[in-house]
Amino acid sequence: QKEVEQNSGPLSVPEGAIASLNCTYSDRVSQSFFWYRQYSGKSPELIMSIYSNGDKEDGRFTAQLNKASQYVSLLIRDSQPSDSATYLCAVLTYNAGNMLTFGGGTRLMVKP
Amino acid sequence: GAGVSQTPSNKVTEKGKYVELRCDPISGHTALYWYRQSLGQGPEFLIYFQGTGAADDSGLPNDRFFAVRPEGSVSTLKIQRTERGDSAVYLCASSLNIQETQYFGPGTRLLVL
Repeated sequence: QKEVEQNSGPLSVPEGAIASLNCTYSDRVSQSFFWYRQYSGKSPELIMSIYSNGDKEDGRFTAQLNKASQYVSLLIRDSQPSDSATYLCAVLTYNAGNMLTFGGGTRLMVKP
Repeated sequence: GAGVSQTPSNKVTEKGKYVELRCDPISGHTALYWYRQSLGQGPEFLIYFQGTGAADDSGLPNDRFFAVRPEGSVSTLKIQRTERGDSAVYLCASSLNIQETQYFGPGTRLLVL
């Protein structure tokens, strides 16, 4: 059974700090990795996607993938109170269906 | 352009009743997915369509759940004989094609009393 694990948090960081969110996955052949942000009472919103080992940067967000360690992370630089939300890690494995397998999410709190 | 839309946004029903939840994907997206999210958990896969056919329905919890997409666009998730445990947010997502990024609709919050 495919599993995606995240620390549920809450992760509390001061405004302006770097928030580091982590995710591990069990299926070694997983190919695509996504970070979604979900505000309370809202649906998941795509933040980043990453497909190959290394770092991918988009504005204040950096996704990091290490397939050997089956580990993906999301860094948020200069954290803002508006970044306070639950961050969901999702994994797509092509040869085992085309559905996303989600972790339970990490709740991030950015304190002013 | 318009995103994924879902109706109704909220649905309250009584145990044993039948409900239908509708999803209208992003125009031109061929793949459509249904997920269910319980409080404090990540979304869980139910079923996905590529075109009109259900390509994978392995996530449907039992035979009370059924989904259709007759014209390859709008999809309806149908739940018969609802149970209190069916209460959750039902999320629909679409992607341009399978293996592409999935974009989520606002969800339908179902409450079974």
